[in-house]
Amino acid sequence: ETGVTQTPRHLVMGMTNKKSLKCEQHLGHNAMYWYKQSAKKPLELMFVYSLEERVENNSVPSRFSPECPNSSHLFLHLHTLQPEDSALYLCASSQAPPRGGADTQYFGPGTRLTVL
Amino acid sequence: TQLLEQSPQFLSIQEGENLTVYCNSSSVFSSLQWYRQEPGEGPVLLVTVVTGGEVKKLKRLTFQFGDARKDSSLHITAAQPGDTGLYLCAGLTSGTYKYIFGTGTRLKVLA
Repeated sequence: ETGVTQTPRHLVMGMTNKKSLKCEQHLGHNAMYWYKQSAKKPLELMFVYSLEERVENNSVPSRFSPECPNSSHLFLHLHTLQPEDSALYLCASSQAPPRGGADTQYFGPGTRLTVL
Repeated sequence: TQLLEQSPQFLSIQEGENLTVYCNSSSVFSSLQWYRQEPGEGPVLLVTVVTGGEVKKLKRLTFQFGDARKDSSLHITAAQPGDTGLYLCAGLTSGTYKYIFGTGTRLKVLA
């Protein structure tokens, strides 16, 4: 498989559930990103991992918990979400130069999350 | 707060027409990307521009980065129904991992 893959593609969960989103990149990149895309809002950066170290946390509520076990995999653990968290969650990867800054991002297809 | 404003927000045109989408900011970016996103999918990269004043062409699409690297435009010649989608610009600030995305332009090309 090539590019960036995300599973599941669709997820419906209750506010008391715990679930995880998974992202895998097959591009040999060393930086991975989580974004939230809501209707009528620009794409919002949530987290960035570079060389498996979190380098950005964009004031995201603690009910979202990222995990990056290696440079190819990224998870977003969800617990006690709110209905307003319903959105398309996108994963991306890029090649990050050693001094910071990043190369072009490649996106996965996203997970459409609905919180009831 | 860095913002990238895109205009227009929505555009519905007939096949064969030309159009221009604008991406404007008060911030300077080290590079700027344009993406197209279709419903239910992630954004797909169209082009990256890095030099002020740079012009890149991709078949019927022409991209320009402003001289001051604060703005960009996307021009489509003879639009086709396959061009329909959400067009997003994204700017990267030098030395960071933070891509700032524009507000998006939703284009519909009617056959």
